[in-house]
Amino acid sequence: LAKTTQPISMDSYEGQEVNITCSHNNIATNDYITWYQQFPSQGPRFIIQGYKTKVTNEVASLFIPADRKSSTLSLPRVSLSDTAVYYCLVGDFTGTASKLTFGTGTRLQVTL
Amino acid sequence: NAGVTQTPKFQVLKTGQSMTLQCAQDMNHNSMYWYRQDPGMGLRLIYYSASEGTTDKGEVPNGYNVSRLNKREFSLRLESAAPSQTSVYFCASSDSGLSNQPQHFGDGTRLSIL
Repeated sequence: LAKTTQPISMDSYEGQEVNITCSHNNIATNDYITWYQQFPSQGPRFIIQGYKTKVTNEVASLFIPADRKSSTLSLPRVSLSDTAVYYCLVGDFTGTASKLTFGTGTRLQVTL
Repeated sequence: NAGVTQTPKFQVLKTGQSMTLQCAQDMNHNSMYWYRQDPGMGLRLIYYSASEGTTDKGEVPNGYNVSRLNKREFSLRLESAAPSQTSVYFCASSDSGLSNQPQHFGDGTRLSIL
C-alpha cells in the first residue's frame, strides 16, 4: 500500500506559484498519482493525475521524478479561490488496498 | 447531468436510532465508495464496491453496513447510531477501482448524533 505524506498546511500570497509535495515511498509499479481539491462543505474534486514525468492541464501541473517516490502539484499564480485542502492519492482500491486513505491533505491558505 | 447525488444533505439522530444514507450516480460507473470525514481530518474509507453485487470493507467499517442495490445506487446504513459516528459522509464513484480512474464525489451528508 502506498502511504502518502504531505505538509499539513501552506500559506501563499495571491499571484504566486505554489508547489505542494507528496511523498509516496512505496508506490507500486502500476500506481497512478492523483490530486484532489476540496473546498469547505463540498466533496473533493479531481485536479490532475499522472504516472511519470510531467503532466499539465488548464489548472495545474504535476511533476513526478524518475523514481516516482514523490510528486509535486504546482498551482501557477494562485488566487483567493484556490484556498482549499489538497490531497494526493496513490494506489488501487483492490483487495488488500481496501485501507487506502486520502490522509489529512495540505491546507492551502491564499491571502492578498 | 447530476453526477453523484447524496440524500439527505443533513440529518440529526438520537443515539440508538437507525438510518440509511442514499447515494446514486448517473455516470455508469462500476465502482462506488463511502467515506467519512471528521473535523480537520482527511477522508477515511468505510466501504467500497468494486462492481454491482460486491462490497469490501475499508479502513473504518465497524458500525456500518452497505448495500449495492444496482449499478447506480450504493447505500450506507447505521443500524444503531452512536455519537462517534457524527461526521460528514461522502459517496464517490469511479469507472473502476484502479488508480488511473479518478473518483467523482457527492456533496456529502452532514450527520449529527446526539
